[in-house]
Amino acid sequence: KAGVTQTPRYLIKTRGQQVTLSCSPISGHRSVSWYQQTPGQGLQFLFEYFSETQRNKGNFPGRFSGRQFSNSRSEMNVSTLELGDSALYLCASSLGTLTTNEKLFFGSGTQLSVL
Amino acid sequence: AQSVTQLDSHVSVSEGTPVLLRCNYSSSYSPSLFWYVQHPNKGLQLLLKYTSAATLVKGINGFEAEFKKSETSFHLTKPSAHMSDAAEYFCVVQSPGGKLIFGQGTELSVKP
Repeated sequence: KAGVTQTPRYLIKTRGQQVTLSCSPISGHRSVSWYQQTPGQGLQFLFEYFSETQRNKGNFPGRFSGRQFSNSRSEMNVSTLELGDSALYLCASSLGTLTTNEKLFFGSGTQLSVL
Repeated sequence: AQSVTQLDSHVSVSEGTPVLLRCNYSSSYSPSLFWYVQHPNKGLQLLLKYTSAATLVKGINGFEAEFKKSETSFHLTKPSAHMSDAAEYFCVVQSPGGKLIFGQGTELSVKP
């Protein structure tokens, strides 16, 4: 069974641009959640999608958005990039929603650098 | 509000000696608690979880953790460290709504 796949693996953008990151969950998983990891702030929850609906959102500005498609693949978009958005972005998938405490399977992440 | 504090940013042990990674939590509710491990350039992997069943939780790779409500702690232990255990470890508390709140991480070094 293929694991969680995140593309691209690395990305370099400049301030003011926008970026879209992709996450393909494990087959059959319907929940996808996103996380930002930085040396200063550590790991922070961004949002969760289940059956194409956003169920949970962390404390991030509206520049951070996401969506989920009918095949459970998810995309995360960041508009008007700032230097502080440089981070490793991780996604995770699970069968049920986060509230079911099911095991999360993480991808290897997308390393975003904003210059 | 819920929070989690990992008491050590870095722990160094010798191979074959015990491992102790400390985690304290704060929660208004009966919490769900997790330990995740992250190897370099990899995503996170679940080691174990506590969801109000047995207070001593056994995980993968010989790790276990004990939930102590009176001390609001959920420390991770392993009797004998292996070189492959070198990684960063995250203690995580989950809110009733499902949001995950991560500790700052503890980097474990294992010396030969």
